[in-house]
Amino acid sequence: DVKVTQSSRYLVKRTGEKVFLECVQDMDHENMFWYRQDPGLGLRLIYFSYDVKMKEKGDIPEGYSVSREKKERFSLILESASTNQTSMYLCASSLVQSNEKLFFGSGTQLSVL
Amino acid sequence: AQKITQTQPGMFVQEKEAVTLDCTYDTSDQSYGLFWYKQPSSGEMIFLIYQGSYDEQNATEGRYSLNFQKARKSANLVISASQLGDSAMYFCAMRELLSGYSTLTFGKGTMLLVSP
Repeated sequence: DVKVTQSSRYLVKRTGEKVFLECVQDMDHENMFWYRQDPGLGLRLIYFSYDVKMKEKGDIPEGYSVSREKKERFSLILESASTNQTSMYLCASSLVQSNEKLFFGSGTQLSVL
Repeated sequence: AQKITQTQPGMFVQEKEAVTLDCTYDTSDQSYGLFWYKQPSSGEMIFLIYQGSYDEQNATEGRYSLNFQKARKSANLVISASQLGDSAMYFCAMRELLSGYSTLTFGKGTMLLVSP
């Protein structure tokens, strides 16, 4: 079975801390994505990557960065966490094919206090 | 401007009844794809169904079907014979190009509650 694993289900951090959210997929997918989900706003794309060491900004990249040193791992970095970054973060991956079906991890609920 | 619009924040349906969840989209591309995902309370996003813009037949997957009306730019999800386990958040999404790469843009979701 396809598996996308996010390292933490719940995370609590303090304002100003550097935060790493890790995501690993075991399907040899080329594409990986980070979304955040907020009530009433749906899912919004933060960053995505189509290859190792490659990254592209999504719709809301401000305050975030990413790293993809290996094909299976895609990290989301909050350089200096702020309270407005409290959210559910979802990682996803997909193959490069026409229907671009995404496989999602179970999410990380981040609270910044 | 919103590219995926789900106008129903919440829907209620009785078990065994059919329900339609609305989705309209906005794109100028000729080639695009439409998806529906289900998110139960556990938080996991589950792929339900896909419709390509050139597909002439409406997509079906078991109890799920996608009512695709291209001219109206709508892609409604129909769930036949609702079950209690169908209670969840449902998201409509569209494949579009961002910086030359395919990404999925999601709507705000519809919460479906199925009652006994």
